[in-house]
Amino acid sequence: RKEVEQDPGPFNVPEGATVAFNCTYSNSASQSFFWYRQDCRKEPKLLMSVYSSGNEDGRFTAQLNRASQYISLLIRDSKLSDSATYLCVVNRNAGNMLTFGGGTRLMVKP
Amino acid sequence: NAGVTQTPKFQVLKTGQSMTLQCAQDMNHNSMYWYRQDPGMGLRLIYYSASEGTTDKGEVPNGYNVSRLNKREFSLRLESAAPSQTSVYFCASKPGAEETQYFGPGTRLLVL
Repeated sequence: RKEVEQDPGPFNVPEGATVAFNCTYSNSASQSFFWYRQDCRKEPKLLMSVYSSGNEDGRFTAQLNRASQYISLLIRDSKLSDSATYLCVVNRNAGNMLTFGGGTRLMVKP
Repeated sequence: NAGVTQTPKFQVLKTGQSMTLQCAQDMNHNSMYWYRQDPGMGLRLIYYSASEGTTDKGEVPNGYNVSRLNKREFSLRLESAAPSQTSVYFCASKPGAEETQYFGPGTRLLVL
């Protein structure tokens, strides 16, 4: 079993739709959680950290469920520019090493 | 402030050839990392350097060596390239306390 698992998609949604991605992690000792965004043929970039109480950044909301060991990302009012691959990332020890999920591809259509 | 830079952007090698991928960061970050990204596999850590003068193996170190030349530079060497090393290679760095990593633009390597 992979340490961090994501549905690869693609998720095809119309502009303005709300879409949600989930990610599960296997190591209960994981301490920090992130969502990164990766555009085609580009490097990953941090989208947002995921806090225990949940957090929101504009149209993006991230949630963490430690009991069930999953993280979610909700995107409201999807824009064409949201089309990308979203990577779920876990840091299982405080410090240096991140573990990346395989990514979920989102395609927002006009 | 260029962030994290990588050279070359693209490279084609024949099996058995050697090459060094270069990475530099101008953000005064302590830690640096090398990842490879393959379809369906996500990003996998090859080697990392927590601070100048130290290096450690990641998840997939076989066939690679690294050098942390100074605080700015972290190079990845393939001594004898194999087709299985065809991939996109990303370098990343992070400050001492933060957990966020900042990535370079990547090197696309094809081994024939």
